[in-house]
Amino acid sequence: TQLLEQSPQFLSIQEGENLTVYCNSSSVFSSLQWYRQEPGEGPVLLVTVVTGGEVKKLKRLTFQFGDARKDSSLHITAAQPGDTGLYLCAPWGKTSYDKVIFGPGTSLSVIP
Amino acid sequence: DSGVTQTPKHLITATGQRVTLRCSPRSGDLSVYWYQQSLDQGLQFLIQYYNGEERAKGNILERFSAQQFPDLHSELNLSSLELGDSALYFCASSVTSYQETQYFGPGTRLLVL
Repeated sequence: TQLLEQSPQFLSIQEGENLTVYCNSSSVFSSLQWYRQEPGEGPVLLVTVVTGGEVKKLKRLTFQFGDARKDSSLHITAAQPGDTGLYLCAPWGKTSYDKVIFGPGTSLSVIP
Repeated sequence: DSGVTQTPKHLITATGQRVTLRCSPRSGDLSVYWYQQSLDQGLQFLIQYYNGEERAKGNILERFSAQQFPDLHSELNLSSLELGDSALYFCASSVTSYQETQYFGPGTRLLVL
């Protein structure tokens, strides 16, 4: 079973600051998804990255998939309080895993 | 709105009791997943059903069981409840049985006293 690591575990920043969170594995992903979970709600899909080296932008969020497809990063520019939440990564697509896997998440708090 | 519904939204019960959580997937989705999320923890995968059959099993306790019915709705049964079972329980659905985009319901918040 592939293990996913996310870092940092917790992050508290001031509004307007930039930040980057990471998702890593020792195995190769076929594709990767990022979800955001706001407090008290279910996770919501943000993006799917498919190709090694791929960069996708979603407003102030920039997602990058590592060239070797073992890691991914999420960069947020000028963070806002609405960005507060738990950011989860998960492999996507047909896999050999025998159970569903999400990373442990990065809990982000943006202070006004 | 993800299209996934879960009932009840909140549930308060006592230790030793049994409860049933219900989930209706998005129209057309055949897979249903159950997750447990305790305070300050990530999503712990419990179990997945696809078109009525168990597809994958995670860290589900023997006191917990689930099933998916012919109309594709699913129920998660939690028995002999303990204080530590207090958590948010999420249901998610997807089109196929492979790990793909999952659409999460709003969750059921369970409090065991």
